[in-house]
Amino acid sequence: QTVVTQEPSLTVSPGGTVTLTCASSTGAVTSGYYPNWFQQKPGQAPRALIYSTSNKHSWTPARFSGSLLGGKAALTLSGVQPEDEAEYYCLLYYGGAYVFGTGTKVTVL
Amino acid sequence: QLQLQESGPGLVKPSETLSLTCTVSGGSISSSSYYWGWIRQPPGKGLEWIGSIYYSGSTYYNPSLKSRVTISVDTSKNQFSLKLSSVTAADTAVYYCARHDFWSGYQPWGQGTLVTVSS
Repeated sequence: QTVVTQEPSLTVSPGGTVTLTCASSTGAVTSGYYPNWFQQKPGQAPRALIYSTSNKHSWTPARFSGSLLGGKAALTLSGVQPEDEAEYYCLLYYGGAYVFGTGTKVTVL
Repeated sequence: QLQLQESGPGLVKPSETLSLTCTVSGGSISSSSYYWGWIRQPPGKGLEWIGSIYYSGSTYYNPSLKSRVTISVDTSKNQFSLKLSSVTAADTAVYYCARHDFWSGYQPWGQGTLVTVSS
């Protein structure tokens, strides 16, 4: 069974920078895994932020960026705002099927 | 603007079949080469990908659910559906539908519908 692992929790100060990662149990994550990133706040449906590693949706704030970093997919938040406090999930493609990451709770403090 | 809306029973008995429908409005489900997927989230837990159907009818399922899942599309009603058989309490979750492909990601999503498995 494929497992996609994220940091359980991260804390960042307002205005700071934080990087979330997404690792695959099968090995290094490449662009062929088409990494997606989602933000979810309590009681809300997930909101898509990034697709295909680094592409932003029209509504994705400029402070969010996606990349590949050290064999993992990464989501960097630069100039963090209080409203960025949320759960973040990555999603990887495995040749027909997808697997969500375990999620990262980002606290802005 | 494309919108998706889940519908179906909010309560299902153990061992029965969970059936949900996702109605697509603001666009045709068969007009473009998109995938139409189902995702779920148990209360207080993370997201789980259930499966997807291509506009042509090809299906892709989560291996851990494959024996119990069927996803189908009804182009005449602009809907796609999820059936999950032999449900247990572990299938209690908010179920979401979403459109996706490699070039625009997973969007939009439906608002989600809570399905509780209980006698």
